[in-house]
Amino acid sequence: NAGVTQTPKFRILKIGQSMTLQCAQDMNHNYMYWYRQDPGMGLKLIYYSVGAGITDKGEVPNGYNVSRSTTEDFPLRLELAAPSQTSVYFCASSYSWSRSSYNEQFFGPGTRLTVL
Amino acid sequence: QKEVEQNSGPLSVPEGAIASLNCTYSDRGSQSFFWYRQYSGKSPELIMSIYSNGDKEDGRFTAQLNKASQYVSLLIRDSQPSDSATYLCAVNANFGNEKLTFGTGTRLTIIP
Repeated sequence: NAGVTQTPKFRILKIGQSMTLQCAQDMNHNYMYWYRQDPGMGLKLIYYSVGAGITDKGEVPNGYNVSRSTTEDFPLRLELAAPSQTSVYFCASSYSWSRSSYNEQFFGPGTRLTVL
Repeated sequence: QKEVEQNSGPLSVPEGAIASLNCTYSDRGSQSFFWYRQYSGKSPELIMSIYSNGDKEDGRFTAQLNKASQYVSLLIRDSQPSDSATYLCAVNANFGNEKLTFGTGTRLTIIP
């Protein structure tokens, strides 16, 4: 299993540009998550999904959008990029509560995004 | 507000000694607790999970949970330079809750 994969690894955007961060998992996990991590800071939840077609906002959703059309993929869309969105973005996944009594989340390698 | 608190460090420990990392949480109903290790420039890696009061050992790592006092700790025995990393504590509020709350992490440095 590849686990959780993310593309691209690095990206530089100009202010106002848009892009999609890709995330895929091959562990048949129901739950998927997007976090951002600013230097020296903890992880902040942007959006999450409990299954295909179901998404919900996390702590810092403004400026982002998500969709979940399949169990495997959970792309994150940035519209009108701003310098405040410069960060490292991590995707994670876990089993649902019906399949595991616990919520162990497994992370992808991350995307380092700079907005200039 | 649900919070998870950790001492940000840095915590410096001599090689071969025991490193002790602590985490407190505010939600008394929390059920699941996790320790993640994050090397600089890398993603968080799950190293320990604990769900019941007491100790759980895995190799050189021991997680300790005390729900009455609302703290969870991680002990690393025979510390190695490769253990130098930031350690994140994460808490799941209750069964059925899809989200984890993360602490800001403790930076650990093992001194050769």
